[in-house]
Amino acid sequence: AQKITQTQPGMFVQEKEAVTLDCTYDTSDPSYGLFWYKQPSSGEMIFLIYQGSYDQQNATEGRYSLNFQKARKSANLVISASQLGDSAMYFCAMREGASFQKLVFGTGTRLLVSP
Amino acid sequence: ETGVTQTPRHLVMGMTNKKSLKCEQHLGHNAMYWYKQSAKKPLELMFVYSLEERVENNSVPSRFSPECPNSSHLFLHLHTLQPEDSALYLCASSQVYDRESDNEQFFGPGTRLTVL
Repeated sequence: AQKITQTQPGMFVQEKEAVTLDCTYDTSDPSYGLFWYKQPSSGEMIFLIYQGSYDQQNATEGRYSLNFQKARKSANLVISASQLGDSAMYFCAMREGASFQKLVFGTGTRLLVSP
Repeated sequence: ETGVTQTPRHLVMGMTNKKSLKCEQHLGHNAMYWYKQSAKKPLELMFVYSLEERVENNSVPSRFSPECPNSSHLFLHLHTLQPEDSALYLCASSQVYDRESDNEQFFGPGTRLTVL
């Protein structure tokens, strides 16, 4: 079974609009961490936001927020006020249990922001 | 140089060649990673060097051989590769305090490898 599922291969959004990228995960471990990374066409993976399984509040970092619904095992990324530079691949990842930061990644969502 | 650097950025090699990918991190981190990114597949962790341990993904073939001479440098030695090994190889580093701590991994720009 896939550990991380991103069901949206591609998403379109207009500039200045908000967009939600979906991520669901599968684990039976009570301790885990969830990450979102952005990969522009240059190839480099850029860390965006992190949510720990014991964190009570949803994580926020500037225009990025993580909608963490533990019971539903979902960790959706919300980008507010989209910018043209947000066009990229977005990956959800999970560190599961005591695993030396071994991250398992989803297949990614390609976001295209149009003017 | 800042962050995580990787050389070369592009590499084309034949199946009988031997080559090495190099990664260097300038962030003072104590853990380094190799990932493989193939088209239409999730990013796959190949090797981890962390807290003086090496952890490897059992599915990685032996034609890939990592080397980590110190906390700042990481190599991936390649020999007798197959065309299906063509992919983007990403290096990352992070600061690790214990097995369950979470710190973001900082990635390099990757090496685009093509095996003919």
